[in-house]
Amino acid sequence: KQEVTQIPAALSVPEGENLVLNCSFTDSAIYNLQWFRQDPGKGLTSLLLIQSSQREQTSGRLNASLDKSSGRSTLYIAASQPGDSATYFCAAINSGGSNYKLTFGKGTLLTVNP
Amino acid sequence: NAGVTQTPKFRVLKTGQSMTLLCAQDMNHEYMYWYRQDPGMGLRLIHYSVGEGTTAKGEVPDGYNVSRLKKQNFLLGLESAAPSQTSVYFCASSNPARLNTEAFFGQGTRLTVV
Repeated sequence: KQEVTQIPAALSVPEGENLVLNCSFTDSAIYNLQWFRQDPGKGLTSLLLIQSSQREQTSGRLNASLDKSSGRSTLYIAASQPGDSATYFCAAINSGGSNYKLTFGKGTLLTVNP
Repeated sequence: NAGVTQTPKFRVLKTGQSMTLLCAQDMNHEYMYWYRQDPGMGLRLIHYSVGEGTTAKGEVPDGYNVSRLKKQNFLLGLESAAPSQTSVYFCASSNPARLNTEAFFGQGTRLTVV
């Protein structure tokens, strides 16, 4: 059974700081890994999808890396802004036969202070 | 661009009542999922479907039933609601063609059972 852990559970940083969110998973036979953000009272917004054959993906100030062998992924946010404040989730996507399922971590609550 | 739409957005039920949550997607995705989100628990998979006419159990299926009669719709039913089913419910869809398993989420249904 896949288990996903996110560290830290909460993080507070001043505006402009670079930061890293961590995600680890127990079953390295993942298919892909996806990062999401969730604003209070809202749904999940997809940020980045890293395919199992890739090492990293970039979108603007966001960079996500994947190391399958060690069971880890990181989300790097450069030059953080107050608008980045949200809860960030990673989800490991496993394929049991042809059934693709997402297993989520419990999230990291990020607060960026002006 | 509707994406994934959930109805209703909010609902209050009395213990023992039944209801159906509707999820509709307009992206022609094969896979659809129902998750519940509880404080400190992350998102947990209830049921999922890999195509029209198919359903499968997830991590926490007890007390719920689902149906996928049309490809674009995935219904989640509560036959006899219990206070333990108070939660925020999210629907998601994806189309694991080739290596792209990116999942898209609806805005959620906040359900309170009293």
